[in-house]
Amino acid sequence: QVQLVQSGAEVKEPGASVRVSCKASGYIFTDFHLHWVRQAPGQGLQWMGRINPNSGGTNSAQRFEGRVTMTRATSISAAYLELSSLTSDDTAVYFCAKPATTGTTIDDAFDIWGQGTMVTVSS
Amino acid sequence: QSALTQPASVSGSPGQSITISCTGTNSDIGGYNYVAWYQQHPGKAPKLMIYEVSKRPSGVSNRFSGSKSGNTASLTISGLQAEDEADYYCNSYTTSSTSNYVFGRGTKVTVL
Repeated sequence: QVQLVQSGAEVKEPGASVRVSCKASGYIFTDFHLHWVRQAPGQGLQWMGRINPNSGGTNSAQRFEGRVTMTRATSISAAYLELSSLTSDDTAVYFCAKPATTGTTIDDAFDIWGQGTMVTVSS
Repeated sequence: QSALTQPASVSGSPGQSITISCTGTNSDIGGYNYVAWYQQHPGKAPKLMIYEVSKRPSGVSNRFSGSKSGNTASLTISGLQAEDEADYYCNSYTTSSTSNYVFGRGTKVTVL
């Protein structure tokens, strides 16, 4: 079945970087963009960005530009999110999500989600 | 990009119908039919309930329906059941300069 499996929880100090992985299975990895969404404790969902696994091209929300790096390894159907210069405001669960369809500009809704990766930023 | 506007909470008794609104702008909900709704139970990943304003993914109960008028989208849950108690988030594609996609702040649905 189609699924996304993410890496385990992380604890980082302020100023550090974190990398979260998302391994896809059950579909052709390069046929769909891969999005990243985060959720701070008790808060709502926040779109961070997306990667085109075929080209490696990325788009990110303005608030994360300069701090976020999205990459992929097509040989193992995996995508990676790296967030740098962490602060306590980055404490959140990070999800990867696959859209139902991928367009040139617009992707459809996210029909498959990873289980989430808790990232805690604390000194 | 500001979040889409949803009521913080909505409640209803078993068997009743409830509607959750989601208000955006011409740059998102009003301009495109890429509106989705997600259900999230505590500690779980979101689950897609409605996409492209009113379409239901396979396996989602027909008690869930979506619609849109102008800049406001709505999710209606009919025949409310205990298992429907969860957080619900709307989501839309946007042409905002700051983001490509925007979510609502979420609505807590309580089954009385």
